[in-house]
This record gives sequence, C-alpha cells and structure tokens, in this order.
Amino acid sequence: SQQGEEDPQALSIQEGENATMNCSYKTSINNLQWYRQNSGRGLVHLILIRSNEREKHSGRLRVTLDTSKKSSSLLITASRAADTASYFCATDGLYNAGNNRKLIWGLGTSLAVNP
Amino acid sequence: DAGVIQSPRHEVTEMGQEVTLRCKPISGHNSLFWYRQTMMRGLELLIYFNNNVPIDDSGMPEDRFSAKMPNASFSTLKIQPSEPRDSAVYFCASSLEGRTDTQYFGPGTRLTVL
Repeated sequence: SQQGEEDPQALSIQEGENATMNCSYKTSINNLQWYRQNSGRGLVHLILIRSNEREKHSGRLRVTLDTSKKSSSLLITASRAADTASYFCATDGLYNAGNNRKLIWGLGTSLAVNP
Repeated sequence: DAGVIQSPRHEVTEMGQEVTLRCKPISGHNSLFWYRQTMMRGLELLIYFNNNVPIDDSGMPEDRFSAKMPNASFSTLKIQPSEPRDSAVYFCASSLEGRTDTQYFGPGTRLTVL
C-alpha cells in the first residue's frame, strides 16, 4: 500500500458542517503537506506541518499530526460549497534504502459540500 | 507574479502522433516536476529536474516519453508515438528548493489520444 493514504476516499456533507479527512504514512517524515484540487484544475498547496508540530491552523483549516501513529488529519470547519474538491496529503517520505526523500502523494479524498 | 504556465490546455491527437507539452515554471524556482494524473493510478511523478538537470526519471513509463529542460524557464514533455493509454491530465509543477519543498502546480494539459 502507498505512503500517504487518505481516508475516506469520498465524503459528502451539508454546507456548514465540518469535514475531516485523514492521512496515514509509513516512513519517517520531516513534514506533511495538504493540497486541494478543484475539478479540472491543478493542485493548490494549503498547509505544511513539520514533524515537530502537533497542530496548525490556517483560516478554517486545522491540521493535526501524530508522528507516533504516522497519521494526520485535515479538518475544514463550517464548510462551504466552494470547498468541494479533492484533498491530497503529501509526505517527504524515504523512498529507497538510503536517506533520500521525495514527496509521496496519496490518492486523495473527494469532498462534496452540498448547498 | 504568474504561476506555472502550461500549454496547450487541451490536446486531442491520433494514435501514433507526436505530442509535445510545454511548461514555464515560476521564476526563481530551481526544481521542476512533470506529473500524470488518471482516475486509475492517481498522481504519478514522471520526472524531476533540479537546476535544469534531470535527477529522477524513474517514473517515465517507457522510451516513448522524453523530457527536456534547456533552461530555467522552459521544459517540454514529449510523447512519441502516442497511444490511447497515454490519455490523462499532465501537470507541471515547480518548487523553490528541491523535491520535498512546497510545489506549485500549473493548470494541466488534458491529453486525449484517439
């Protein structure tokens, strides 16, 4: 299975509700990033959290990181229809026997916010 | 400041034809990435350049794919000959410093090979 696996794969909520997406990874990391992709567009960076941080906020976004469980969550509060998009996590994971790192992407969570 | 620029935005071609996708990274960024995105396989890194030099091309599917970066402000991804299974959205992204830094994506090129 892949590093940076998000769950759920798809999430449908009503406007005003909170949306929570999770990401799990396998190797040690220095940082974890969340990106958003609107339909037909490129990915847009949302937030980066470093391995020595436990929580980070940006507007209506809250990201937590638990390095002991190798997992992160992205919470979007008071969701809006405009938040409808796919959300990806990316970790700077180790990818070979050496100490080399690259950005490893998950498959994403598709979020639908219904008006 | 302009973001990453890709052209064309859409490309429809017939099997066997050559396809060239173009990318202009953000000025000052030293790293450039080409990705392919499909429903089945998600986002796949094809190739990574640092300071115009290809560092990791392990994601390039086969010899039909090639990429160049002749200078810091331009890169191309070429498919020759193209096949229907190459149909996908191809993204170019750049980062300020290295392959684990925040990446800035272009709008993508939607390629359809008939």
